[in-house]
Amino acid sequence: AQTVTQSQPEMSVQEAETVTLSCTYDTSESNYYLFWYKQPPSRQMILVIRQEAYKQQNATENRFSVNFQKAAKSFSLKISDSQLGDTAMYFCAFSYSGAGSYQLTFGKGTKLSVIP
Amino acid sequence: GAGVSQSPRYKVAKRGQDVALRCDPISGHVSLFWYQQALGQGPEFLTYFQNEAQLDKSGLPSDRFFAERPEGSVSTLKIQRTQQEDSAVYLCASSLGNAGQIGNQPQHFGDGTRLSIL
Repeated sequence: AQTVTQSQPEMSVQEAETVTLSCTYDTSESNYYLFWYKQPPSRQMILVIRQEAYKQQNATENRFSVNFQKAAKSFSLKISDSQLGDTAMYFCAFSYSGAGSYQLTFGKGTKLSVIP
Repeated sequence: GAGVSQSPRYKVAKRGQDVALRCDPISGHVSLFWYQQALGQGPEFLTYFQNEAQLDKSGLPSDRFFAERPEGSVSTLKIQRTQQEDSAVYLCASSLGNAGQIGNQPQHFGDGTRLSIL
C-alpha cells in the first residue's frame, strides 16, 4: 500500500515571496503519478500540478513547480511570487499507473497562509 | 454546469437516520469516485465506478454505506443508521478516463457535502 506524508501541518509566507511545501511517499511501484491539489475554504479540490514518475524533468505550471526526487521518494511544491489567493490547504497525492489504477492516496495536507 | 455538482452542500442528521448524498459528474466522464474527508485530514477513497459498474468498494467503512450509479451518470452515496463518526465532508470526483488512465486524465472534484451527525 502507498503512503503519503506531509510533515508541515501549517506554513506561512509573505506575499510575493517563495515557499516550498514538502511531501514524501512510500511505494514499491516504479510507475506512478504524483499530484498537488489545492483546497480553498470553498472545499473544491483543484489540481495544481502533476508529475509522471518516469519523467525526470520537473513539472512546472506558471508560478508552481515541483522538485521530484524519485530515489528519495520526495515531491516538494514550490510556489513563487505568492499571492493572497494561494491561501489554502495543499494536498500531495499519489496514484500508481498500472492497469486498473484509479484511486488517489492523499497526505494529511499543509495549511498555507499568505500574509499581505 | 461544467463542473462536478454535489448536493446538498450541508446535511445535518440525527444519529440513526438514513442520508443520501448526490453527485452529478461532468458530462461524458466515465469514472466516478467518492472520498471521505474527516476534519483536518486528507480525503480517503471510498468507492469507484466505471460507468454503471462499481469496480471497487474496498474503502467503504461498513455495510451501512452503499453507493450506486445506475445509469452511468448521477451517483448517490447512501448511509444507513448514521453514527457520529460518519460526520465528515464527502467528496465526489469524476474523470474522463477508464481505470488505468487516471494518471493522464486527472480527477475533477466537486465542492463536497458536509455531513454532521448529531
